[in-house]
Formats: sequence, C-alpha cells, structure tokens
Amino acid sequence: AQKVTQAQTEISVVEKEDVTLDCVYETRDTTYYLFWYKQPPSGELVFLIRRNSFDEQNEISGRYSWNFQKSTSSFNFTITASQVVDSAVYFCALSAIGANSKLTFGKGITLSVRP
Amino acid sequence: AAGVIQSPRHLIKEKRETATLKCYPIPRHDTVYWYQQGPGQDPQFLISFYEKMQSDKGSIPDRFSAQQFSDYHSELNMSSLELGDSALYFCASSLGLAGGLSGELFFGEGSRLTVL
Repeated sequence: AQKVTQAQTEISVVEKEDVTLDCVYETRDTTYYLFWYKQPPSGELVFLIRRNSFDEQNEISGRYSWNFQKSTSSFNFTITASQVVDSAVYFCALSAIGANSKLTFGKGITLSVRP
Repeated sequence: AAGVIQSPRHLIKEKRETATLKCYPIPRHDTVYWYQQGPGQDPQFLISFYEKMQSDKGSIPDRFSAQQFSDYHSELNMSSLELGDSALYFCASSLGLAGGLSGELFFGEGSRLTVL
C-alpha cells in the first residue's frame, strides 16, 4: 500500500521568509512518481512538479526547490522568499508507474504567508 | 491551451436526490480520473478510465457510478445523496496511464456539490 505523510498541518511565516514543507512517503513499488500540488483558496489543484523515483536530482524552479532523498523516502519542498500569494494548501502525492496510476495524497499543509 | 472542463461548477441537491457531474478531458487525453475532496480533507481517488474502460477503482460508494464515453468525456452519477457526499469533486485527465511520459495529471477546477 502507498502512504504519504505530511506531518506539518499548518505553517505560518512572514513574507520573505524561506519555508520548507516536508513529505515522507511509503511504497512497495520500486519505481514511482512523486508530486507536489498547490491548492489556493479558490480550490483548484495546481500542478507544481513531478519527480520519478530513478531521478534523484534536486530541482529548482524560480523560488521553488525540491529535495528528493530516496534513502529517507522524503520529497521536501522549499519556497524561498515567500510571498502572500504562496498562501495555499500544499499536497504531496505519490503514484505508481504503470496501470494503477492513481494518486495517493498526503493530508496537505496549510501555508499562510503574512505581509 | 485547453484545460480539463468540469460542469457544473456548483451544485446543490437535497438528500436522496441524484446528481451527475461531467468532465471533459484535455483534447487527445484518453485517461480520466475522479477524486473526491471533503472539507479540510485530501483528495481521495474514486475511479479511473482508460480508453473508455474502467482502469482502477478506489473508495467509490456503490451509490456512485461512472463511465467514459466515445468522445472521452466522463460522467459521475451519484444517487441517494447523503449529507456526507458534500465535497469538491475533481476530474483529472492524462495521456496514457500514469500520465504518460510526463507523469502529469491535469486537474479540472472541480465541481462543488452541496447536499442539504
């Protein structure tokens, strides 16, 4: 069975602070995908990144960066110089690669960025 | 670029009524997924279709049914609605299972169902 744990439930920071959102996962699959999605107050799910399990390179996209550590089953997400528009719920998710490709989501982290 | 279209965006029903949600995937996408997100919860997988055949099934109640049509759009039918069915229902589409080469599922904006 697959499981995604986002131990942090709510985080509040002041604008321009850096913030890291933690994600730990469990799976018996040897190959899998990991995702981060953003859900702003308007409700839609916004895709941020997909990482496959055989690519452990960290990735940076603007103010966003992701640290994938297969040895610790973690896929953490850092926002640098946070902005008020970053306020949202952030979900980490996991899927198998192949026929059963449904996403298993973590419980989500509510990030509030105060001016 | 065209995105996943869900309709209606908002729906209010009474208990024991029936509701139908529609999902129009991105053109050329052949896989559709349905998720249910209760208030303050994470999205839960309900069911998926690949090339008009059910490909996987999650925690979908027996009162719910879904299908994918020849034009690849999908409908989620919910009968004997209960208060606990009030949720945001997301449809996602992809090209091929597991999101194809990109591994990405494209989500619609969701349909918010309120059961009174």
